[in-house]
Amino acid sequence: QKEVEQNSGPLSVPEGAIASLNCTYSDRGSQSFFWYRQYSGKSPELIMFIFSNGDKQDGRFTAQLNKASQYVSLLIRDSQPSDSATYLCAVNERGANSKLTFGKGITLSVRP
Amino acid sequence: DAGVTQSPTHLIKTRGQQVTLRCSPKSGHDTVSWYQQALGQGPQFIFQYYEEEERQRGNFPDRFSGHQFPNYSSELNVNALLLGDSALYLCASSLNSGALNSPLHFGNGTRLTVT
Repeated sequence: QKEVEQNSGPLSVPEGAIASLNCTYSDRGSQSFFWYRQYSGKSPELIMFIFSNGDKQDGRFTAQLNKASQYVSLLIRDSQPSDSATYLCAVNERGANSKLTFGKGITLSVRP
Repeated sequence: DAGVTQSPTHLIKTRGQQVTLRCSPKSGHDTVSWYQQALGQGPQFIFQYYEEEERQRGNFPDRFSGHQFPNYSSELNVNALLLGDSALYLCASSLNSGALNSPLHFGNGTRLTVT
């Protein structure tokens, strides 16, 4: 059974701080990795995807991937109260059209 | 450009009944996937449809079935509803290009409550 673990949380940070969200996965054949943001009562919204080892930055968001350690993380710089949401890590083993396995999510609260 | 649309938004059913949920994919997308999200959990993959056929299936019983139409829209049917089927049902569409950067786009979901 392929698993995606997001065990840390809930997470609370002050406004302007860096929020670090972590995720591990069990399938070494995994090829693509996604971070979705989900506000309460809403559907998941894609914020980042990464396929290669290393860092990928998009504005205040940086995704980090380490395939050897089977670890993917999301850093949110200059956190804002509007970043308060549940962040879902998702893994796809064979490409974008295969099924995604999601973690249970980490709830982030940014304190004003 | 319309995104993924789902109907209805909310539904209340009684145990043992049957339900049909509907989804229209984002314009230009040809693949539809269905996910079930229980409260406090991540979405769980139910199945995926492409070219009107079920291409992949998750660990869900046969009570869950689906269909894809020639216009790429899709239905999810659940028979003999159980209390545990209460969840947010998400439809996601994508383009079967095989490219790694063709991610899923989710609809707003259907909230199903079974009493």
